[in-house]
Order: sequence, then C-alpha cells, then structure tokens
Amino acid sequence: EAQVTQNPRYLITVTGKKLTVTCSQNMNHEYMSWYRQDPGLGLRQIYYSMNVEVTDKGDVPEGYKVSRKEKRNFPLILESPSPNQTSLYFCASSFGDREGYTFGSGTRLTVV
Amino acid sequence: KQEVTQIPAALSVPEGENLVLNCSFTDSAIYNLQWFRQDPGKGLTSLLLIQSSQREQTSGRLNASLDKSSGRSTLYIAASQPGDSATYLCAVGIGGDMRFGAGTRLTVKP
Repeated sequence: EAQVTQNPRYLITVTGKKLTVTCSQNMNHEYMSWYRQDPGLGLRQIYYSMNVEVTDKGDVPEGYKVSRKEKRNFPLILESPSPNQTSLYFCASSFGDREGYTFGSGTRLTVV
Repeated sequence: KQEVTQIPAALSVPEGENLVLNCSFTDSAIYNLQWFRQDPGKGLTSLLLIQSSQREQTSGRLNASLDKSSGRSTLYIAASQPGDSATYLCAVGIGGDMRFGAGTRLTVKP
C-alpha cells in the first residue's frame, strides 16, 4: 500500500532530551516536507526536501533539523526540545511540483 | 508571500443540503491547488487536486473549481451527509512548498 509512515504516533518527552521523528514513504517520491499544526495557526511548513541531500527551510525551522540521505526517509530531529514545540507534526511527500501531496498520520508531540 | 484564506471558518448545515466552501489566495503563480479533509486529531486525506491549467475536478459528490486569475477556488459538496463532518483545508502548491488555509469546520446535522 502506498503510504507515508511516521513514527512514533504519540510522544511525551522532557525539555532538552533529543528526539527524532521518523518519516518514510514507499512511493519513490522526490519531494518530502515536514509541517506542524497548532490551534489557531494552521499548518506551517518546517522544512522541505526536493531531492536526496537537498533540504530547505520552511516558515518555522528554528529548533529543528532534517536530513535526506535516502530518497524514502526524511527524519525530523529536535536537538533540544522545548515546550513551545508541543504540536501535531505531519510528514508529506509528492512526486514533484505538479503533483499532490500524500500525508502521514501525524505525530502528536508533548514536551514537558 | 502567498496567503491562503478560507471562508467561512465554520459551517453547520442540515443533512441533504448542497454547500460551497471557499478558498482564496493572493498570488496566482501556483502549480496546483489541493483540497484535504481532516477529522479531529487525524491526518489529512486528499480529496481533489487541481492543476494550475485546469478549471475543475470532480470526485463523487465533490466538485472543486479553480479560477487562478482571480485567486479563488471553491469546493462544492452535493447532498451533504453527517459523515462529511470534518475540517476541510485547501492548500496551494508553489514549488516544494504548500501553503494552507486555516480550514472550514463543517458540521452536517442528521
């Protein structure tokens, strides 16, 4: 089944403890993106990647890192999480500019 | 900077009614426009994708139109059902980026 898989689905962590949210797609998509969704602010892009080893900042990249070493994987790294990074995170992928995006099921992160 | 606006923010209708959701964007230089559905606490399900060269797309009871020159799109839902209750998001594709509207929360009452 064609899909975008995020793990974990739910995560509660403490301030400052490094964490990684994984994202994998099995559709051979070139484009991958990370978004966060917050009440009243909607979906905002964190980082995106248009190919292996090519990443760019979105609207809210502060406090996050990404890497794209393989086409199928696009992990989101929080080196030192803070409570303001508590949010619902989505990974998405697409074939390219003229194709639609497929979204993962989301990761609900709580930083205490 | 591209801004996407959705009106209304919330809508409540009786079952069986036809309805229209609106989406507007400020920059017409888009590659595509995509409508999504999101149930509470869940992921985004793609409903319709309209390429910038297209005027509309249809899927079942859903019809989406795109007027790029005026920066507008509408999602028409025919014969609404309680199962259609969800938040509907529109997003414009601009290269590797997608810009989302804040969504319209739809409630269809039995």
